[in-house]
Amino acid sequence: GAVVSQHPSWVICKSGTSVKIECRSLDFQATTMFWYRQFPKQSLMLMATSNEGSKATYEQGVEKDKFLINHASLTLSTLTVTSAHPEDSSFYICSARAAGGIFSGANVLTFGAGSRLTVL
Amino acid sequence: GENVEQHPSTLSVQEGDSAVIKCTYSDSASNYFPWYKQELGKGPQLIIDIRSNVGEKKDQRIAVTLNKTAKHFSLHITETQPEDSAVYFCAASILVAGNKLTFGGGTRVLVKP
Repeated sequence: GAVVSQHPSWVICKSGTSVKIECRSLDFQATTMFWYRQFPKQSLMLMATSNEGSKATYEQGVEKDKFLINHASLTLSTLTVTSAHPEDSSFYICSARAAGGIFSGANVLTFGAGSRLTVL
Repeated sequence: GENVEQHPSTLSVQEGDSAVIKCTYSDSASNYFPWYKQELGKGPQLIIDIRSNVGEKKDQRIAVTLNKTAKHFSLHITETQPEDSAVYFCAASILVAGNKLTFGGGTRVLVKP
């Protein structure tokens, strides 16, 4: 089945530094990837939609200059948290949708295992 | 935009009993309803999904029902086992380009042995 790999699974950084999280689709091409943020014991909040070869679409309230998204290939999207601060500490999860017809099984989203960011 | 509400937020059941989680959605255009299971420290895993042209779908101990008129859908887990303990999320979306999911708030299920 479809597999999405996220790296790193956890990262600790100092305040003011930038952190990059990678999301890779291992056995399929993903034209669209989504980035979510999840606080403890809460639901997933969509941050942005990443489309291969074009600019990401950010949800309302998400700072695009703070959370840089690059989707340079059909198998890789990256999220960079710039100048991280303690309030950016969270669980970041990506998901990917395979290329395919609207009602094809390939339209199902597959999630990565998540990346836990802790900013000191 | 779409709004998905999920109940209950926590559910404790005895091993072997059934668990039912209910979700309601607001956008009548939504036509795809997946359910995800998330274990501690991991990403969500799709366990079952249903499209709007189907009223019920079953996969072994898991079943999902959909009532389009009332705009609600439910997850049923029968013969619960301790390994069913996790957080379950329902979601809704419109199956067009993008497939942006709107998640419910989640249900923490604890199956007591």
